[in-house]
Amino acid sequence: DTGVSQDPRHKITKRGQNVTFRCDPISEHNRLYWYRQTLGQGPEFLTYFQNEAQLEKSRLLSNRFSAERPKGSFSTLEIQRTEQGDSAMYLCASSLVSRANYGYTFGSGTRLTVV
Amino acid sequence: GNSVTQMEGPVTLSEEAFLTINCTYTATGYPSLFWYVQYPGEGLQLLLKATKADDKGSNKGFEATYRKETTSFHLEKGSVQVSDSAVYFCALGGAGGGADGLTFGKGTHLIIQP
Repeated sequence: DTGVSQDPRHKITKRGQNVTFRCDPISEHNRLYWYRQTLGQGPEFLTYFQNEAQLEKSRLLSNRFSAERPKGSFSTLEIQRTEQGDSAMYLCASSLVSRANYGYTFGSGTRLTVV
Repeated sequence: GNSVTQMEGPVTLSEEAFLTINCTYTATGYPSLFWYVQYPGEGLQLLLKATKADDKGSNKGFEATYRKETTSFHLEKGSVQVSDSAVYFCALGGAGGGADGLTFGKGTHLIIQP
């Protein structure tokens, strides 16, 4: 068990470009979550999957954001036409459905800087 | 909606001092409550949890008790160490069995001086 892996660790992009992040959850975990954390703030929930189904999306997830989990394993988060306000740490977490009430395991995050 | 309020930081203490970080919440239903810790350059780690009223979560010398009557989940440790320096986040999970995303406080930066 290598924990939750996120790639890349850091991404610098120019405003208007598209970026994609990847998350590999703990292998037996069927729930996967995406959060965004800006400087000095706590993480904010974006969306979550149960297996391959996206079950909930926050109003923070504008139409420039899209997340997928095609085979119920890894997930990708894409941001189109990036804006400076998208600069943040993007965190992925996973859990078992039966243990979701007991906390999640977070990855180390992808830090996005839009210049 | 759900919300979490925790004390502003930074909190600076000397080694072996007693620690309290206050956390209060607003929620519908009966959420689970968590404390997460984030060390520099790392992701969030679950420190402790409590899933129902009057439960006490504990780990690594830290404790927090789920107080429904005061809607609080204060984090305490009797004797802090320099290695406890980190950012601490209080969070609550949706009352619907954890299906909803976690709601976090803004975090409290703890600095322990030798």
